[in-house]
Amino acid sequence: EPEVTQTPSHQVTQMGQEVILRCVPISNHLYFYWYRQILGQKVEFLVSFYNNEISEKSEIFDDQFSVERPDGSNFTLKIRSTKLEDSAMYFCASSDTGVPDEAFFGQGTRLTVV
Amino acid sequence: QKEVEQDPGPLSVPEGAIVSLNCTYSNSAFQYFMWYRQYSRKGPELLMYTYSSGNKEDGRFTAQVDKSSKYISLFIRDSQPSDSATYLCAMSAFKAAGNKLTFGGGTRVLVKP
Repeated sequence: EPEVTQTPSHQVTQMGQEVILRCVPISNHLYFYWYRQILGQKVEFLVSFYNNEISEKSEIFDDQFSVERPDGSNFTLKIRSTKLEDSAMYFCASSDTGVPDEAFFGQGTRLTVV
Repeated sequence: QKEVEQDPGPLSVPEGAIVSLNCTYSNSAFQYFMWYRQYSRKGPELLMYTYSSGNKEDGRFTAQVDKSSKYISLFIRDSQPSDSATYLCAMSAFKAAGNKLTFGGGTRVLVKP
């Protein structure tokens, strides 16, 4: 069964450092998303990406964040200068049509900023 | 008022009982309604989705949407210990390119053998 793959599963970084979270979406999917979940809180939308550009972003997705699809298979989230409050689970999702019921989520990357 | 509200639980039921979960929402633009299951420190897994109002059944799961009341429900029949997880409702308004999901906070369910 096809799945969304995220690496690493856990990343520890020092405050102020840059991190890149990586995702390999399902191969024929065209729509890509990042969500995050702070421990004990709800899953929150960060950004959606289609046709090599951001289609929507939330207020959380400020200038510290960027996304990229550097090749035909990877989708990355970069946090330029991490803050303690960036500690969370980050989930990548993808879908082939953009219809919300067809989004598949990865297992997440747990980011810990110390 | 929060956009999507969900009782955090925990909801503890004996094995075999019916689990009843619900969410309320405030945004009238929502048209797609999903239920996800999430195990600890794992990604959300889609269980059911419904477009607009009505009921949908899939095996032991039944999803209901009442748009007039802005209320959605998920029922799990013949619950099993393996159903113990956090259940998230999520909603979306259709857009042309990509559709963000707005999640509830999740209800933790514990099914006791």
